[in-house]
Amino acid sequence: SQTIHQWPATLVQPVGSPLSLECTVEGTSNPNLYWYRQAAGRGLQLLFYSVGIGQISSEVPQNLSASRPQDRQFILSSKKLLLSDSGFYLCAWSLDRVSEQYFGPGTRLTVT
Amino acid sequence: AQKVTQAQTEISVVEKEDVTLDCVYETRDTTYYLFWYKQPPSGELVFLIRRNSFDEQNEISGRYSWNFQKSTSSFNFTITASQVVDSAVYFCALSDLSGSARQLTFGSGTQLTVLP
Repeated sequence: SQTIHQWPATLVQPVGSPLSLECTVEGTSNPNLYWYRQAAGRGLQLLFYSVGIGQISSEVPQNLSASRPQDRQFILSSKKLLLSDSGFYLCAWSLDRVSEQYFGPGTRLTVT
Repeated sequence: AQKVTQAQTEISVVEKEDVTLDCVYETRDTTYYLFWYKQPPSGELVFLIRRNSFDEQNEISGRYSWNFQKSTSSFNFTITASQVVDSAVYFCALSDLSGSARQLTFGSGTQLTVLP
């Protein structure tokens, strides 16, 4: 069966510090991968998605970036965090463009 | 453009009551997919159901049932005999084949609280 991992689970970082969140999927090949952010108030915002290694599409301009160095690894990064980057970050995968997405446990980021 | 509306921000019921969560969607496509997710306090979104636009049959899974009506662009979710463990935020989502983005459009969610 497929599983999706995210780490760390929680993170407190000062403004201006770098960020690296990692997501890995097991049990499937060539999945579509997604990064979402959920701010307080529940709305889910798609940040990035990837249909293959090295292929990244950005949905919202911001100071975040994403990379997919391996088939089942998706990384969310920032060189300098802003206060507004605080939130709950969720990684997800799907088999293809019309299948359901399965979400990881999330990373709660607080920028101080 | 896609849009999903969950007009109920919060619902509170007493255990064993039935509760219906409303979802209304907008899309210009004739082929699209609808989803429901549950987000318990732990935060992880749990996939509940996927429905394509050509299948209007209602679905029942245990205490959960879904009513898909294309005529009113609605995909409502009913929990029968609610339990405390059903307390969570529930999201309705839509995916169609338009545009280059392969994404789900989520509603704003409904916070369900089931009281003992």
